[in-house]
Amino acid sequence: DAGVIQSPRHEVTEMGQEVTLRCKPISGHNSLFWYRQTMMRGLELLIYFNNNVPIDDSGMPEDRFSAKMPNASFSTLKIQPSEPRDSAVYFCASSSGLPNEQFFGPGTRLTVL
Amino acid sequence: AQSVAQPEDQVNVAEGNPLTVKCTYSVSGNPYLFWYVQYPNRGLQFLLKYITGDNLVKGSYGFEAEFNKSQTSFHLKKPSALVSDSALYFCAVRDKNNNAGNMLTFGGGTRLMVKP
Repeated sequence: DAGVIQSPRHEVTEMGQEVTLRCKPISGHNSLFWYRQTMMRGLELLIYFNNNVPIDDSGMPEDRFSAKMPNASFSTLKIQPSEPRDSAVYFCASSSGLPNEQFFGPGTRLTVL
Repeated sequence: AQSVAQPEDQVNVAEGNPLTVKCTYSVSGNPYLFWYVQYPNRGLQFLLKYITGDNLVKGSYGFEAEFNKSQTSFHLKKPSALVSDSALYFCAVRDKNNNAGNMLTFGGGTRLMVKP
């Protein structure tokens, strides 16, 4: 198994542009998580899906952030418009449900200029 | 509510010495507990977990952790540290009685520095 796949690995964009991050979870996993990691705030859970349905999006910073999971093998996190303070590493993780562990992707390093 | 604390931002240890990375948790019921490691420019990697049973859990790369219910702790340990163990370590918890889904609550992370 290739593990959790994220693309792109690096994204540099200018303030105001739309950014779309992509995630392919491990086949057979029914839970998908989006996290953001910064030096200042550490690891933050943004949103969590179970069976493709958003369960908890209380961590999404504001309306500029949105996430979708149209099917069991694909999810997107979109930022529109992007701002410099969105610069961070964004991780996707998947799990087959508790008590099983979450498997993390390699992350997307986003830089907004 | 569930929460986890890692009281040390950084732990320094000499190679060959034992290491401990501390974690305490708070849940209303019984916990699921996890340790993850993050190497530079990588995602988090699962090390070990406590679900039930034996309080001493053994994981990858020679790491182990002991669940202590009375002290609400789940400290990560290794008998002999390697320079290659230098990384960022995260403890995570989930209350078994929490019906809000499969979310884990992560600690703030502890940076382990092993010096030759």
